Amino acid sequence: GQSLEQPSEVTAVEGAIVQINCTYQTSGFYGLSWYQQHDGGAPTFLSYNALDGLEETGRFSSFLSRSDSYGYLLLQELQMKDSASYFCAVDSSYKLIFGSGTRLLVRP
Amino acid sequence: NAGVTQTPKFQVLKTGQSMTLQCAQDMNHNSMYWYRQDPGMGLRLIYYSASEGTTDKGEVPNGYNVSRLNKREFSLRLESAAPSQTSVYFCASSQSVEQETQYFGPGTRLLVL
Repeated sequence: GQSLEQPSEVTAVEGAIVQINCTYQTSGFYGLSWYQQHDGGAPTFLSYNALDGLEETGRFSSFLSRSDSYGYLLLQELQMKDSASYFCAVDSSYKLIFGSGTRLLVRP
Repeated sequence: NAGVTQTPKFQVLKTGQSMTLQCAQDMNHNSMYWYRQDPGMGLRLIYYSASEGTTDKGEVPNGYNVSRLNKREFSLRLESAAPSQTSVYFCASSQSVEQETQYFGPGTRLLVL
């Protein structure tokens, strides 16, 4: 079967750093994506890792370890607008398999 | 550019009724997708179209049909709606199925009574 595990909820303080983990088990793997979704909104693309290592895009970084079937999203200098749900998604045979999402609450 | 647009935004159906959800993109993308999202869950792929003229099943295709009308438009049809199909439906597109970035529409909120 195919499964992705990520924490259901994370709370952090404005200005802090938070890490959202994702472990996966899928039949095919080409890469790991991260999407952000605000309440009532559409998912928007954040990052993609096809190879092991860290990818940095501004305040957001994403890491992948293919041997451990593990990745994480790192958000730095948290802002109130970062309060949203974050989904990891495995690129599996040209299809995206999404995790259930992590709800991030940023407190002042 | 509008990106990906979906109609309608909201719909209420009675069990057994049929309806078609419309999706269009103006980014000249080859691939298009239909997902459903249930409360507190991630998105699940219903059907996708890798390119104009082709469609394939995703994780949860039962109870749905799709039509890739042309390169821009990809519709999702519920022939006989059931309460289990109450969900938010998102359409997405990408340059190709090999491209990791998918662009999502605003969603259609469907309630089946």
